[in-house]
Amino acid sequence: QSVLTQPPSASGTPGQRVTISCSGSSSNIGSNTVSWYRQLPGTAPKFLISSNNQRPPGVPDRFSGSKSGTSASLAIRGLQFDDEADYYCAAWDDRLNGHWVFGGGTKLTVL
Amino acid sequence: EVQLVESGGGLVQPGRSLRLSCVVSGFTFEDYAMHWVRQVPGKGLEWVSGISGESDTIGYADSVKGRFTISRDNAKNSLYLQMNSLKPEDTAFYYCVGQLWSFQWFDPWGQGALVTVSS
Repeated sequence: QSVLTQPPSASGTPGQRVTISCSGSSSNIGSNTVSWYRQLPGTAPKFLISSNNQRPPGVPDRFSGSKSGTSASLAIRGLQFDDEADYYCAAWDDRLNGHWVFGGGTKLTVL
Repeated sequence: EVQLVESGGGLVQPGRSLRLSCVVSGFTFEDYAMHWVRQVPGKGLEWVSGISGESDTIGYADSVKGRFTISRDNAKNSLYLQMNSLKPEDTAFYYCVGQLWSFQWFDPWGQGALVTVSS
């Protein structure tokens, strides 16, 4: 069972706006930056965006990240077929000398 | 071009040892904390261990504490993971991952090395 909670699946049609949630606690999301990763089938995850909207070069501004209290969200507007992937959230957790925690992942399907 | 290339994965019997290596290029290695993140095929991501740029701060997940040892050699731009007393539940892809010291995210990622623990 993952420390951060994500819905196992999400879906949308091309052009729609989709959000994926990530729920945690005061020791992780509540006090640290949340990061999001996208993983295409058969490939390594890649950093997508942070909860303060820092993006690596090449990630379009269709993707946005936010955080409120102990929950974070990834929003994708103008959904495209090649957005279909697994999405993971992560955060530093201050408990027990500190460690990183991940969400269980959300499989996004573009219908 | 940024590259992280893992090696050392393979099939190993339970109770045996294996050492993973990761050679990095394209960025200033000592400016980055480095981590190992693993993924059981078809499952989610799990942080395994991390080490600061000067090796003065090291952390482990409870699931590997006492069995795995992380280290780095900044002169060789290399990260290592010594895995002892391997268990079948350690079977996973192991990713070498960088974290710039001032940022709270993992970037960049290696392509992964598969470790299979089975008799």
